[in-house]
Amino acid sequence: ELKVEQNPLFLSMQEGKNYTIYCNYSTTSDRLYWYRQDPGKSLESLFVLLSNGAVKQEGRLMASLDTKARLSTLHITAAVHDLSATYFCAALGYGGSQGNLIFGKGTKLSVKP
Amino acid sequence: DAGVIQSPRHEVTEMGQEVTLRCKPISGHNSLFWYRQTMMRGLELLIYFNNNVPIDDSGMPEDRFSAKMPNASFSTLKIQPSEPRDSAVYFCASSLGDGSSGYTFGSGTRLTVV
Repeated sequence: ELKVEQNPLFLSMQEGKNYTIYCNYSTTSDRLYWYRQDPGKSLESLFVLLSNGAVKQEGRLMASLDTKARLSTLHITAAVHDLSATYFCAALGYGGSQGNLIFGKGTKLSVKP
Repeated sequence: DAGVIQSPRHEVTEMGQEVTLRCKPISGHNSLFWYRQTMMRGLELLIYFNNNVPIDDSGMPEDRFSAKMPNASFSTLKIQPSEPRDSAVYFCASSLGDGSSGYTFGSGTRLTVV
């Protein structure tokens, strides 16, 4: 059964600092998704990582995927307050859960001035 | 593109009543997913459909929950009878093909059962 773990679950950062959120998954999955959720809102797609070694960047966020280590990272560069939100990673299930996304518990990011 | 459309946005109902949540996926998407989000359990997949056929309903909590997808543009999630522990945000999502272009989520339905 595919399990997805994120850490940290809570992250308080100062503006201008860098940090990384980690996403580990337990069984084979060659596809990884990152989402952002603001309080009371839906999930907004950030990145879709489709293969080993994939790296994508959008603004101050950069995501990467290492399928051999079963690890994805979301790196935040020079954080700003607008990045405060909860970030979820999700891996694509195989076998019995094929075709659906299995989510981590989310990382609640708070960026303070 | 209007995105994934869910209704209602908010629903407050009394315990024991029937609740029906609705979802219209993005036109052309052939997979549809129902997720439930709570503080305690996070995001859980309830059921997903591919080409209108239920593929995996192992996440449906119990017989009180049922889902249908009568055609490619409409799905319902029904709870009968509802209980306070069903209170949660229910999201519908859709995707195309193998999901390589992503999964798009609707705005969600916030259900409160009192």
